[in-house]
Amino acid sequence: NAGVTQTPKFHILKIGQSMTLQCTQDMNHNYMYWYRQDPGMGLKLIYYSVGAGITDKGEVPNGYNVSRSTTEDFPLRLELAAPSQTSVYFCASSYSDSIPEQYFGPGTRLTVT
Amino acid sequence: RKEVEQDPGPFNVPEGATVAFNCTYSNSASQSFFWYRQDCRKEPKLLMSVYSSGNEDGRFTAQLNRASQYISLLIRDSKLSDSATYLCVVNREAAGNKLTFGGGTRVLVKP
Repeated sequence: NAGVTQTPKFHILKIGQSMTLQCTQDMNHNYMYWYRQDPGMGLKLIYYSVGAGITDKGEVPNGYNVSRSTTEDFPLRLELAAPSQTSVYFCASSYSDSIPEQYFGPGTRLTVT
Repeated sequence: RKEVEQDPGPFNVPEGATVAFNCTYSNSASQSFFWYRQDCRKEPKLLMSVYSSGNEDGRFTAQLNRASQYISLLIRDSKLSDSATYLCVVNREAAGNKLTFGGGTRVLVKP
């Protein structure tokens, strides 16, 4: 099992551009999450999904969108990128409420300039 | 008050020594508690889940005190490879399994 995979590993985006960060898990987990981590700070939840077709906002959803068309994939879309979106983005997954341990992908390091 | 608070450290630990540090949480309804470790510029990795009164995994022992709303992590016989940031993580809501992450405690093990 590859676990949680993310692409790209690094990306530089110009202000106002858009892009999609990809996340895939092969652990048959129902729940998936997107976090951002700014330097020296804790992780903040952007969006999460409890199953295909179901998504909900986390703490910091503004400027982002998600979709969940399959159990395996949970892409994060950045529209009209701003310098404040410079961060490291982590995708995570977990099985259910009763098996809550979350497992993380290797992250995407994004710079908006 | 932050939902999950940790001493940022760093804790400078001689190799072979024991180190312990705490984390406090504000939501008394929290049911799930975890310690993750995060190496520089890497993803968080689950170190251990903390259920009921606490548990042990090799050199690592986690304790949960619900009355005082804190979790502790103790590392015995510290190795150089234990140098990392340790994240205290608490579930904010059971539904959807939304977690709150502390800012982390940095541990540096030195020869």
